[in-house]
Amino acid sequence: ELKVEQNPLFLSMQEGKNYTIYCNYSTTSDRLYWYRQDPGKSLESLFVLLSNGAVKQEGRLMASLDTKARLSTLHITAAVHDLSATYFCAVDMSGGGADGLTFGKGTHLIIQP
Amino acid sequence: GAVVSQHPSWVICKSGTSVKIECRSLDFQATTMFWYRQFPKQSLMLMATSNEGSKATYEQGVEKDKFLINHASLTLSTLTVTSAHPEDSSFYICSASIAGAETQYFGPGTRLLVL
Repeated sequence: ELKVEQNPLFLSMQEGKNYTIYCNYSTTSDRLYWYRQDPGKSLESLFVLLSNGAVKQEGRLMASLDTKARLSTLHITAAVHDLSATYFCAVDMSGGGADGLTFGKGTHLIIQP
Repeated sequence: GAVVSQHPSWVICKSGTSVKIECRSLDFQATTMFWYRQFPKQSLMLMATSNEGSKATYEQGVEKDKFLINHASLTLSTLTVTSAHPEDSSFYICSASIAGAETQYFGPGTRLLVL
């Protein structure tokens, strides 16, 4: 059974600070996804990481994937209040879109002024 | 592009009734559609995977007779919650994918409240 573990599950930080969310998974996979969810809303796709060593950046967010360590990170640089949300990582077992995703428990991020 | 819609966006029903939720891919033909459930303050859990014209594959612990999935076309999948009970109250989210595509496209979700 594939397990996806995120930490921390809850994070309160001040604006302007940097922090990293970690996502570990229990089996080999070349596909890892990061999503953002705002309260009462569905998922917004942030990053799709498709290979070992993949690094993607969008604004203040940067995601990386190490398939050998089975670890992905989501790094937040100089956080702003608008980034407050719940962030999920998810793993696709099949690598071809034929299987559903297994999600981590999510990291509830609060950024305070 | 790659828009997925769900209808209704929210529904309130009485215990014992059945509720149908539609998931449509608006601008592409989806090889596969997935149904997820999310309880408050929890993560998403995959319920089932459906391919057009074939029976859905349900995840362990999901009752196939309670959660009926029909994937009638490459753009439409429906989830029917039969004889709904309060414990079925949840946020139901569908996603759609194309074979070989990099990602799944998520719908906006349907919030179900069973009284």
